[in-house]
Amino acid sequence: DTGVSQDPRHKITKRGQNVTFRCDPISEHNRLYWYRQTLGQGPEFLTYFQNEAQLEKSRLLSDRFSAERPKGSFSTLEIQRTEQGDSAMYLCASSLVDYHPNNEQFFGPGTRLTVL
Amino acid sequence: AQSVTQLDSHVSVSEGTPVLLRCNYSSSYSPSLFWYVQHPNKGLQLLLKYTSAATLVKGINGFEAEFKKSETSFHLTKPSAHMSDAAEYFCVVSDPEYGNKLVFGAGTILRVKS
Repeated sequence: DTGVSQDPRHKITKRGQNVTFRCDPISEHNRLYWYRQTLGQGPEFLTYFQNEAQLEKSRLLSDRFSAERPKGSFSTLEIQRTEQGDSAMYLCASSLVDYHPNNEQFFGPGTRLTVL
Repeated sequence: AQSVTQLDSHVSVSEGTPVLLRCNYSSSYSPSLFWYVQHPNKGLQLLLKYTSAATLVKGINGFEAEFKKSETSFHLTKPSAHMSDAAEYFCVVSDPEYGNKLVFGAGTILRVKS
């Protein structure tokens, strides 16, 4: 257990429905990252926050995706009008920022989304 | 831009024999390099990281990796495989100029035969 938690662990939904995932990082970590992992691939970067500010979004993050970190603690990732191609494992990671280039990112267990 | 190529999608070894998982990277800056392991139905776990202090990096569970800038490689090795090493391994590059976001390779599935 890395100390990063994600909820729910599994989500099955029908195409067109909206889903929301939550990530609780390690409490003193001010950086929070979201990644997506599809079957047979390595995780791909989606977006990241430093405190409550969203600093970067990947072009993978279409306008159906939105992420927030309102108080600089937990984060939510919402997918609107889900499509079958959204089926994947959604991973959250957190880290400290102290301007060292090699800060370890600690990963949560992931939320597995299945869109029927 | 950064990228990672893991040269083998599957590697099979016998228990007690050496392990070699190959990784080449591309980065426009001085990269940070990592190896992560993912056991079935488990989260990603950091095995080791390259911090620029030493080119030979030792990690957990007897794994090592050597950073070779001239070859842009960061291969993962272990002298003697154990059954519990069977998992998927990811080579990862990151760069503070890109927010330290991690760029993963496609992964290598390691199978250990008894």
